[in-house]
Amino acid sequence: QVQLVESGGGVVQPGRSLRLSCTVYGFSFSSYAMFWVRQAPGKGLEWVAVISYDGSKQFEANSVEGRFTISRDNSKNTLFLQMNNLRTEDTAVYYCVKGIGRWELTPMDQWGQGALVTVSS
Amino acid sequence: DIQMTQSPSSVSASVGDRVTITCRASQGVNNWLAWFQQKPGKAPKLLIYTASTLQSGVPSRFSGSGSGTDFTLTITSLQAEDSATYYCQQAHSFPITFGQGTRLEIK
Repeated sequence: QVQLVESGGGVVQPGRSLRLSCTVYGFSFSSYAMFWVRQAPGKGLEWVAVISYDGSKQFEANSVEGRFTISRDNSKNTLFLQMNNLRTEDTAVYYCVKGIGRWELTPMDQWGQGALVTVSS
Repeated sequence: DIQMTQSPSSVSASVGDRVTITCRASQGVNNWLAWFQQKPGKAPKLLIYTASTLQSGVPSRFSGSGSGTDFTLTITSLQAEDSATYYCQQAHSFPITFGQGTRLEIK
């Protein structure tokens, strides 16, 4: 059974850092691209970042470029999102999402339950 | 950036009805279009990818069509459990973008 379990969310002050993790179960993690997608309270879905199956390529949204970094550890079946210099507008539920294919432009299929990040002073 | 515009923003229909939601891309995305269903407090669920491929386990009353810039999600024989918000999303080019969502209410 496919499972994606996010952790690391919480309340943080503006300008501080936070690292999200997503540990996966039930599929061959090293074979698929992985995404982070976020949803601000009461708002729609926003793509944040994607990484290829082997970690060789990463892309981030303009709104987080230079502040957020996506990475993966295939030996630990874990995806990460390092979030630096957080802003109040980064407040959202962050979802870890599995891609259907290996490379970055691939449909997303399986979603985690989400991790809430609240940026507030 | 490719803008994805969904219509309508909200729709109300009865059990057994047929509902169509449209999604228009500001530039052609070939068939790199997906549809998601999201219920309150839950993660989105993939319904359709590559415009018309039904995800495994999704009921056959859901179908997708279109190519280029204009796409539709059709739900035939609407069920009470289909009450949700539906999003389209393009995976043709970066940045990956979603539509603003269509809220489907069951009368």
